[in-house]
Amino acid sequence: AQSVSQHNHHVILSEAASLELGCNYSYGGTVNLFWYVQYPGQHLQLLLKYFSGDPLVKGIKGFEAEFIKSKFSFNLRKPSVQWSDTAEYFCAVNTGNTGKLIFGQGTTLQVKP
Amino acid sequence: DTGVSQDPRHKITKRGQNVTFRCDPISEHNRLYWYRQTLGQGPEFLTYFQNEAQLEKSRLLSDRFSAERPKGSFSTLEIQRTEQGDSAMYLCASSKQGVVNEQFFGPGTRLTVL
Repeated sequence: AQSVSQHNHHVILSEAASLELGCNYSYGGTVNLFWYVQYPGQHLQLLLKYFSGDPLVKGIKGFEAEFIKSKFSFNLRKPSVQWSDTAEYFCAVNTGNTGKLIFGQGTTLQVKP
Repeated sequence: DTGVSQDPRHKITKRGQNVTFRCDPISEHNRLYWYRQTLGQGPEFLTYFQNEAQLEKSRLLSDRFSAERPKGSFSTLEIQRTEQGDSAMYLCASSKQGVVNEQFFGPGTRLTVL
């Protein structure tokens, strides 16, 4: 069965620190990959997505992610976090044959001012 | 810009009661999804519709759960004979049909079963 694994459950960083959140998926075929973010009290919002082409994708608010097919990974990065990045981050995969998204368990990011 | 809306936002019910939730997708989206999210977990797929057709249901969806999208617009999710284990956030999302399956999420309905 397809699954998504996020390695870090809770990350605490100081402002201006660099961020990398790991995401691995298990599926051997073509995938579409997503990172969603949920700010406190708000609904899930799309941060960035990968469908094809350049494996390095850029999203909103300075986030980027790199798709490494050989490692089945889609890690999220940001060079310098801000206090406003405090949120929960979810990696998700869609295999293209179905409509459904399979989510990882999420990573809570806390940025200290 | 009207996004996905869900009603109610919160529902408290007693075990054994039936509950129904509504989702209104973005107007031009023909795909609609239901997910369930419990504390500390990512959303878990329940079912999805393309127009009025229910195309996939999770094996996790027991017979007590039923979803409809009668005219291909709004959808309802009904839970019969609720159990305490049904307590969760129920999320609705919508998307356009196509290769790019970008889903837009609503605020969710938080269900508490006492």
